[in-house]
Amino acid sequence: AQTVTQSQPEMSVQEAETVTLSCTYDTSESDYYLFWYKQPPSRQMILVIRQEAYKQQNATENRFSVNFQKAAKSFSLKISDSQLGDAAMYFCAYRSGAGGTSYGKLTFGQGTILTVHP
Amino acid sequence: GAGVSQSPRYKVTKRGQDVTLRCDPISSHATLYWYQQALGQGPEFLTYFNYEAQPDKSGLPSDRFSAERPEGSISTLTIQRTEQRDSAMYRCASRGTGELFFGEGSRLTVL
Repeated sequence: AQTVTQSQPEMSVQEAETVTLSCTYDTSESDYYLFWYKQPPSRQMILVIRQEAYKQQNATENRFSVNFQKAAKSFSLKISDSQLGDAAMYFCAYRSGAGGTSYGKLTFGQGTILTVHP
Repeated sequence: GAGVSQSPRYKVTKRGQDVTLRCDPISSHATLYWYQQALGQGPEFLTYFNYEAQPDKSGLPSDRFSAERPEGSISTLTIQRTEQRDSAMYRCASRGTGELFFGEGSRLTVL
């Protein structure tokens, strides 16, 4: 079974600074996807960024980027120019690349609470 | 609908009562997923539907939990004889051809 571990229960950052959230995972599969989701106090679950394991290039979405180290099974999220609206709980998640209708079967980490100080 | 809608948003019940939670997915989405999220934890997969078929129930914690999607659209999750350990956020998500869209969840508190 796959496992996802987020070792930082809480992180904080000053507005406009950069912060990195850590995630490690364990799998025996070679084809998979990794995600970062944001859960603000509004209770939504918002997809921040996605990485396909077969792609060597790290994914980037505006101020959000990942450092994907496949051999080390590490998948960290870097938030640049942090904004007050980035404050939320962030979850790392794994999905098998096996396909089919189980595409939505995700394994989540425990989450990291990010506080942004003005 | 425009998004994934869940009801009720909050439910408080007494131990031993049955509860039913409802999910109305995005109308074009074939697959629907249920997750359980304990306080301070990440969501955990319970079950999913492809239209009305339920190919995977592996995450349901006990036979007190069941889910239906009889017409391939709206789904319900029923917990019988609730226990305090069932207190959690229950999230529904649906998927068309892209990634998941999550609802805002139903928060269940069992006293």
